Amino acid sequence: AQSVAQPEDQVNVAEGNPLTVKCTYSVSGNPYLFWYVQYPNRGLQFLLKYITGDNLVKGSYGFEAEFNKSQTSFHLKKPSALVSDSALYFCAVRDIYSNDYKLSFGAGTTVTVRA
Amino acid sequence: SQTIHQWPATLVQPVGSPLSLECTVEGTSNPNLYWYRQAAGRGLQLLFYSVGIGQISSEVPQNLSASRPQDRQFILSSKKLLLSDSGFYLCAWSGQGNQETQYFGPGTRLLVL
Repeated sequence: AQSVAQPEDQVNVAEGNPLTVKCTYSVSGNPYLFWYVQYPNRGLQFLLKYITGDNLVKGSYGFEAEFNKSQTSFHLKKPSALVSDSALYFCAVRDIYSNDYKLSFGAGTTVTVRA
Repeated sequence: SQTIHQWPATLVQPVGSPLSLECTVEGTSNPNLYWYRQAAGRGLQLLFYSVGIGQISSEVPQNLSASRPQDRQFILSSKKLLLSDSGFYLCAWSGQGNQETQYFGPGTRLLVL
């Protein structure tokens, strides 16, 4: 079985401050991990993924995420948030031994960046 | 590059009417295709996925069905809509492989009245 938890429904930060969106996962084997962003009334946009290798993954729009196997976490970070980063963020996981291509998504975290 | 289209963008339908939502992918062949529903702007529920023409896996028993008549076409249907079918429907595609990323279309907003 595979699952993802996003413990915060909402994150509020001031523009220019660091942004962190938390994600923890559970898989039987090892994980493939993904982050997506969704703007209102739009589809999900892919930000970044962890497959293997370097635990620090860099993605689109200045975002990065760190894979921590011991803590089963994959937190999304941005050093300096912009107002335009305000959106809904989803973490997703797939067990590398899964044979059905399905992703398990978290419930989402709403990020609000105030000017 | 690959693109994914969904139509219509919005749809208002009466209860009991039929439904047909279409999704097409360009720029790739033999993709995996997925239908999701998102209620109240939050979590995603996987409804159907397909690894090839005519191959459909259903995740949730309900009054919806899916078909894949062509390699890059995925259709979501219902014979009789329920109020609870209202939501935001998202189509996605991925390559064949466990580490492949799913890429999402722009979505269809369905309101059943």
